[in-house]
Amino acid sequence: GAVVSQHPSRVICKSGTSVKIECRSLDFQATTMFWYRQFPKQSLMLMATSNEGSKATYEQGVEKDKFLINHASLTLSTLTVTSAHPEDSSFYICSARDIAGALPKEQFFGPGTRLTVL
Amino acid sequence: AQSVTQPDIHITVSEGASLELRCNYSYGATPYLFWYVQSPGQGLQLLLKYFSGDTLVQGIKGFEAEFKRSQSSFNLRKPSVHWSDAAEYFCAVGPRRTTSYDKVIFGPGTSLSVIP
Repeated sequence: GAVVSQHPSRVICKSGTSVKIECRSLDFQATTMFWYRQFPKQSLMLMATSNEGSKATYEQGVEKDKFLINHASLTLSTLTVTSAHPEDSSFYICSARDIAGALPKEQFFGPGTRLTVL
Repeated sequence: AQSVTQPDIHITVSEGASLELRCNYSYGATPYLFWYVQSPGQGLQLLLKYFSGDTLVQGIKGFEAEFKRSQSSFNLRKPSVHWSDAAEYFCAVGPRRTTSYDKVIFGPGTSLSVIP
């Protein structure tokens, strides 16, 4: 099956620093990748939709200058949390959609990245 | 508005007992339906999905789900629960026609505890 990886799996940083999280589709091409945020004991909340070669579409209430998304290729999207603060601590999950095959296009999820901001 | 509800926040069952997790959705048309499972600190694993055809769908780990259009429901079932099934379960819906901006909507999740 399709595999999506995320790196790093865990990151601890100081307040005010920036953190970059990578999301890769390992064995398929993905024109669209999605970034989710999950707080403890809560569901996944979509932050933004990333399309290869174009600007990301952010959900209402998500600061685009705070959460920078780059989808430079069909297999890589990055999320950069800029000037991170403790309230940004969360579990970040990406997903990717395979462009090949018949409709509908299924999303495949990465294992997640645990961000802790001290 | 599009939404997914999972009425049970937390369920506790004994090992070997049967399980049913409820899911209801509100959508403009019949969506593409999923059930995912998430163990603590882990990503999501797809249990099963429904797009069309037989409304009773078989998934991995012995799970099945039944789509009932009249009730806008997609309940997950397992005849005999194992201790390793303890996890968070998410129902999700997605559009049947996929465009660049289509997205999957997740329910709030149901936490399953299993008593040995």
